[in-house]
Amino acid sequence: SQKIEQNSEALNIQEGKTATLTCNYTNYSPAYLQWYRQDPGRGPVFLLLIRENEKEKRKERLKVTFDTTLKQSLFHITASQPADSATYLCALNQGGKLIFGQGTELSVKP
Amino acid sequence: GAVVSQHPSRVICKSGTSVKIECRSLDFQATTMFWYRQFPKQSLMLMATSNEGSKATYEQGVEKDKFLINHASLTLSTLTVTSAHPEDSSFYICSARVTGQGGVSPLHFGNGTRLTVT
Repeated sequence: SQKIEQNSEALNIQEGKTATLTCNYTNYSPAYLQWYRQDPGRGPVFLLLIRENEKEKRKERLKVTFDTTLKQSLFHITASQPADSATYLCALNQGGKLIFGQGTELSVKP
Repeated sequence: GAVVSQHPSRVICKSGTSVKIECRSLDFQATTMFWYRQFPKQSLMLMATSNEGSKATYEQGVEKDKFLINHASLTLSTLTVTSAHPEDSSFYICSARVTGQGGVSPLHFGNGTRLTVT
């Protein structure tokens, strides 16, 4: 069956450290993968998109990698801040639709 | 730019009544909008794809007669939960893609509607 799996455990890190979130998928062959941020009671907000032929994408303190052999994407936030605390969702395209992982809750402590 | 407005943000209704949720793209046209449902601590589950001027496409297991979708213009899609029951209580979120940008472009989400059926 098709699955998108993210760390189910909440990730707690200290301010200033790098947060690394994982997204693994099975039985999908996505042409691209997206990462979103969701705050409690709000809709997700788009952060980054990476295509299958790109190994890495950066935007300010954010970095995404995409390994189609391992079927995995890693999402990094460097120099993390308490304001980065949120749930982060990965999403794959499937026939024009976006299918989401369950998200990983990140908590950055001052 | 690319703002999606969803209304209402919260609604409480009695069992057996119907509730309409509106999703508007404020500064862009959206031929296609998507309706998701989210339970606490769980992922967004795609319910249906709303297509302007035609019938919505529903995901497997979603009752089309229960969740009526209308996409009458390029900026407005509505989801009506008919004869709501407590198990329909959930967080409903709409999203849209800017027309013409294709499937690669990101989705722009509304801020969701918290539906509570008593």
